[in-house]
Amino acid sequence: DTGVSQDPRHKITKRGQNVTFRCDPISEHNRLYWYRQTLGQGPEFLTYFQNEAQLEKSRLLSDRFSAERPKGSFSTLEIQRTEQGDSAMYLCASKKGHPNTEAFFGQGTRLTVV
Amino acid sequence: DQQVKQNSPSLSVQEGRISILNCDYTNSMFDYFLWYKKYPAEGPTFLISISSIKDKNEDGRFTVFLNKSAKHLSLHIVPSQPGDSAVYFCAASRTDKLIFGTGTRLQVFP
Repeated sequence: DTGVSQDPRHKITKRGQNVTFRCDPISEHNRLYWYRQTLGQGPEFLTYFQNEAQLEKSRLLSDRFSAERPKGSFSTLEIQRTEQGDSAMYLCASKKGHPNTEAFFGQGTRLTVV
Repeated sequence: DQQVKQNSPSLSVQEGRISILNCDYTNSMFDYFLWYKKYPAEGPTFLISISSIKDKNEDGRFTVFLNKSAKHLSLHIVPSQPGDSAVYFCAASRTDKLIFGTGTRLQVFP
């Protein structure tokens, strides 16, 4: 399977704990995106990387959120001091760097903060 | 502000008929538009896209139409099949960052 892979698929955590999610993009894709989706909404952009450089961060990404993509391969998204409002599906996508090409999504990580 | 809008939260269509899903956008700088399909507990799956230099793109049963003057695009599915039942998201892009609508749930019944 050469698609976008996300781990874990599900995460339940207590409020105040830190969580980290991993995304492995399609190998030849140099752009990697993180999105968040809540019930009844479309995916909302959080941040994206070109290779190892983080090019843009959404205002949705508070100081408790940090994303990395060391060596331009896999990426991690960490949420510190989780809050109940962080409960959502976190989606990762990757694409080639050419303009006007489609992004391919992973199956997402469902986070539940209790 | 919602730059990409899907005003119909749901649509029900009989198998074999045409499904038409609509999407409106506000930012005239968007130059690339996509439709994704999503099943529960899965990530979105790419369906079809269109560049702003075109007004139509077709792929099998799926056709996307773009009306730039009206800032409107639509996805036509002909003929609709029960397996098409899912949530459909339109997305728009200018700088390679996708902005999604809120989705339309399509149900195709026998």
